[in-house]
Amino acid sequence: AQTVTQSQPEMSVQEAETVTLSCTYDTSESDYYLFWYKQPPSRQMILVIRQEAYKQQNATENRFSVNFQKAAKSFSLKISDSQLGDAAMYFCAYSIIQGAQKLVFGQGTRLTINP
Amino acid sequence: DAGVTQSPTHLIKTRGQQVTLRCSPKSGHDTVSWYQQALGQGPQFIFQYYEEEERQRGNFPDRFSGHQFPNYSSELNVNALLLGDSALYLCASSGRQGAGTEAFFGQGTRLTVV
Repeated sequence: AQTVTQSQPEMSVQEAETVTLSCTYDTSESDYYLFWYKQPPSRQMILVIRQEAYKQQNATENRFSVNFQKAAKSFSLKISDSQLGDAAMYFCAYSIIQGAQKLVFGQGTRLTINP
Repeated sequence: DAGVTQSPTHLIKTRGQQVTLRCSPKSGHDTVSWYQQALGQGPQFIFQYYEEEERQRGNFPDRFSGHQFPNYSSELNVNALLLGDSALYLCASSGRQGAGTEAFFGQGTRLTVV
């Protein structure tokens, strides 16, 4: 069974600084998708960034980028120029590539932005 | 675009009762998935509906059942409620069955079982 592990329950960063959230996963599949979702206090999950495992290039979305290490089964999220609005729970998630999307989530990391 | 809407937002039920949660998917989406998020945990996949059929199911007992209507909206039913069923229930919709499709989530229903 696939599992996703986030080893940092909480992280904090100064506004405008850079922070990296860690995620490791376990799977026997060679192709799959990885995601980072943000959950603010409003509770609504919002997709931050997505990576296809068969693409070697790391995904980027504005201030958000990932470091995808397939052999190490590692998928970290880097947030540059942190803003107060980035404060939220961040979840790493995995999905197989075939068939319907079934997201397997990690336990989450609570990110605090200090002004 | 209203996005994914869930109702009710909060609900308190007594142990042993039954509950129905509702979800309207984002306009143009035909696939609905349900997740259970216990306090301080990541969401866990319950099941997914497409073309009014359950297509995938997670590791949840038969007390959890669902339905999808012709307009793609969906219901999650939980029978014989246990205290451990207290959680945030999230609905997610997507445009097709493809695993890489972005899932749009609603704001969830907070269920408290007393």
